[in-house]
Amino acid sequence: DIQMTQSPSSLSTSVGDRVTITCRASQGISNYLAWFQQKPGKAPKSLIYAASSLQSGVPSKFSGSGSGTDFTLTISSLQPEDFATYYCQQYNSYPLTFGGGTKVEIK
Amino acid sequence: EVQLVESGGGLVQPGGSLRLSCAASGFAFSSYEMNWVRQAPGKGLEWVSHISGSGSTIYYADSVKGRFAISRDNAKNSLYLQMNSLRAEDTAVYYCARSRTGQNWGQGTLVTVSS
Repeated sequence: DIQMTQSPSSLSTSVGDRVTITCRASQGISNYLAWFQQKPGKAPKSLIYAASSLQSGVPSKFSGSGSGTDFTLTISSLQPEDFATYYCQQYNSYPLTFGGGTKVEIK
Repeated sequence: EVQLVESGGGLVQPGGSLRLSCAASGFAFSSYEMNWVRQAPGKGLEWVSHISGSGSTIYYADSVKGRFAISRDNAKNSLYLQMNSLRAEDTAVYYCARSRTGQNWGQGTLVTVSS
């Protein structure tokens, strides 16, 4: 199985800051990586697929990059509605596997 | 608008069974692979099972293999998860999700396994 390691597991930041979350795969997954946002009590929401493609309707302040084993999610100018937990997920092969999540909190 | 609506969750005793359903609308259901993903209370996301659009290809997580069965009825635009021999560690919110990229998710249904 492919292990996905996210870092940091949590971070405290301020409105207007730029945030970068990293995700590392235990083996190469090309660009078969997705990012999700989850707010408390809600279902995950798809942000990015194919490592860098924005889902329809997702604001351009979210961006993704990477290929192979190392990936990043960047949120420019964090707004109050962006405070949530973010997950990466590989879909190169089954079983699908998720990173442990990054909780973005208000400082 | 794409909609996925799960149902069938509830409280069940260890060793019991439950059948979850996911009603899909707003897209060509039979053209899409579907997945079940679960989230234990306060924990991260865990993939459970996959089924191809035709139903011919099925995968399971090792943690549920032999106990859970995924199926779909394309005529009814519905996805199912039959869960048998339930354990306390199966307690979670269960989500259905469209495609391996998780393009769309339902709101989830809570399964609690407890005596």
